[in-house]
Amino acid sequence: GAGVSQTPSNKVTEKGKYVELRCDPISGHTALYWYRQSLGQGPEFLIYFQGTGAADDSGLPNDRFFAVRPEGSVSTLKIQRTERGDSAVYLCASSLSRGAGGELFFGEGSRLTVL
Amino acid sequence: GENVEQHPSTLSVQEGDSAVIKCTYSDSASNYFPWYKQELGKRPQLIIDIRSNVGEKKDQRIAVTLNKTAKHFSLHITETQPEDSAVYFCAASSVFGPGTRLSVLP
Repeated sequence: GAGVSQTPSNKVTEKGKYVELRCDPISGHTALYWYRQSLGQGPEFLIYFQGTGAADDSGLPNDRFFAVRPEGSVSTLKIQRTERGDSAVYLCASSLSRGAGGELFFGEGSRLTVL
Repeated sequence: GENVEQHPSTLSVQEGDSAVIKCTYSDSASNYFPWYKQELGKRPQLIIDIRSNVGEKKDQRIAVTLNKTAKHFSLHITETQPEDSAVYFCAASSVFGPGTRLSVLP
């Protein structure tokens, strides 16, 4: 597609449930990033993929969060045993650049609400 | 890891005046410093970036300066317009600052 696509755009779930958020990057972009943005705050880095591998996962807050990119294109962010504090907009971005040094193209985000 | 601070958190200016936003970073290995603009309810979009081998870069009304020794970089917007009103984020590589809400008053 023309831009980064994220689904679902909105997700409401109950505390303790499992959630998957999907990101379809711009075709040909090898780098893919996941961020979390809470209201009034800057995007918080979660994980960065270069191709299929996680080049930097230092931002994942705990072991309930996991992300995959099995074929080097679409990525899925998985959150187990959701907590109310996980509520935020989850942004995905892709970049043509290898390494952390190029423009990030963001998707519209997936707004997660944990009740 | 990298830590980015940004000031001020809010900024109001009269239309036509200049606006300056300042950031500091902690990791001397960082070499890429982008600035993103985020309008309400929308995604962040790149407005300008600078790499560590350059001290200043300008694009029409927007300029960015970088002081690698002091680990400071700044965004300058001249002749501000109401459509410049948004939240601006600096970043060092992939780590973002907390943002500055800019309001341009007509």
